[in-house]
Amino acid sequence: GDSVTQMEGPVTLSEEAFLTINCTYTATGYPSLFWYVQYPGEGLQLLLKATKADDKGSNKGFEATYRKETTSFHLEKGSVQVSDSAVYFCALTVTGANNLFFGTGTRLTVIP
Amino acid sequence: EAQVTQNPRYLITVTGKKLTVTCSQNMNHEYMSWYRQDPGLGLRQIYYSMNVEVTDKGDVPEGYKVSRKEKRNFPLILESPSPNQTSLYFCASRGDRLVYEQYFGPGTRLTVT
Repeated sequence: GDSVTQMEGPVTLSEEAFLTINCTYTATGYPSLFWYVQYPGEGLQLLLKATKADDKGSNKGFEATYRKETTSFHLEKGSVQVSDSAVYFCALTVTGANNLFFGTGTRLTVIP
Repeated sequence: EAQVTQNPRYLITVTGKKLTVTCSQNMNHEYMSWYRQDPGLGLRQIYYSMNVEVTDKGDVPEGYKVSRKEKRNFPLILESPSPNQTSLYFCASRGDRLVYEQYFGPGTRLTVT
């Protein structure tokens, strides 16, 4: 079946540190991959997406590359800010599917 | 402003007392879903609807009902809530099955005692 595995948290970083949150997936078809972010007390927001192999999604300084050979979609940011503190979810869907499959979420805390 | 709204945001209730969580979107989206979020489990889909009067079960539908009488509204109904339904609930919508981005509501934190 379709599933997403992402690294356990929580992750605590100092401001301006480099961030990587690992995400790997299993899919029966050709998935599209997403990172969603959940700020405290809010719903999930789409952060970035990639719909085919080798695509790179980017937004707000975050990047992730769809790697079919390693079935991965790791989230990276070169210099995190305190405002990036949130829970990050990796997710996938297959074309025409009725569901988004989410990872368990990784809580990031950035300290000044 | 494009948005998905949910009410109430917080609810504490007792076992067996029927409740409804409302969801409304103003984007004319065809597709709406309900998810529950539990620690260590991520988000799991409860029910979804592809259009008015078209609903189907997601991954964890037991103990829940939904209806879609109007395009903009998609209420979640717990006929007889139990403590294992204590969770954070999110409504989401998207344009149609081929549009990937989902818009999420702010969440409803439900506690069943």
